[in-house]
Amino acid sequence: KNQVEQSPQSLIILEGKNCTLQCNYTVSPFSNLRWYKQDTGRGPVSLTIMTFSENTKSNGRYTATLDADTKQSSLHITASQLSDSASYICVVSAVAAGNKLTFGGGTRVLVKP
Amino acid sequence: GAGVSQSPRYKVAKRGQDVALRCDPISGHVSLFWYQQALGQGPEFLTYFQNEAQLDKSGLPSDRFFAERPEGSVSTLKIQRTQQEDSAVYLCASSSQSSPGQTYEQYFGPGTRLTVT
Repeated sequence: KNQVEQSPQSLIILEGKNCTLQCNYTVSPFSNLRWYKQDTGRGPVSLTIMTFSENTKSNGRYTATLDADTKQSSLHITASQLSDSASYICVVSAVAAGNKLTFGGGTRVLVKP
Repeated sequence: GAGVSQSPRYKVAKRGQDVALRCDPISGHVSLFWYQQALGQGPEFLTYFQNEAQLDKSGLPSDRFFAERPEGSVSTLKIQRTQQEDSAVYLCASSSQSSPGQTYEQYFGPGTRLTVT
């Protein structure tokens, strides 16, 4: 069964500090991996999309990495801001799955002043 | 342009009632998806439409769940005889993907929070 596992489940960091979130997946054959940010009470918003050939992609203070060999991805948040408090969800798509996305459980990040 | 909208935003239903959740996708988006998100969990796929055709409904948890998109635009997710385990946020997403294999973006609505009492 295709699975996406994220760690840690939750994280508290001080404003201005950096943090890294982890994602491991067993989805195969791999098509693409996305990171979404979900604020409380809202739908997920895309941060990055990476295909097999890409191993890093940035969106402002967010940088995602992908190692397709070890089936791992990370999302690094630089110089965190209070507005970064949200859930961050790793999502993987398989080639054979058509349009079906497999979501991880998310990492809940709380940035404190 | 407006994003994906969903209504109602909140719905409380008594166990056994039928509910209908509406999704208005981004204008012109051919693909539409429904997801179910339990509290503290990531979304789980329910069903997918390309225009008016329901191409994948493998995620619907039971035959009490039914989705339609009769004119290829607005979609409705209906849940019959609601149960407490149906309590969740129901997310709708749309995409402009026009052919398989593309790495497309999905745009999510704010969701409908369903509480079954």
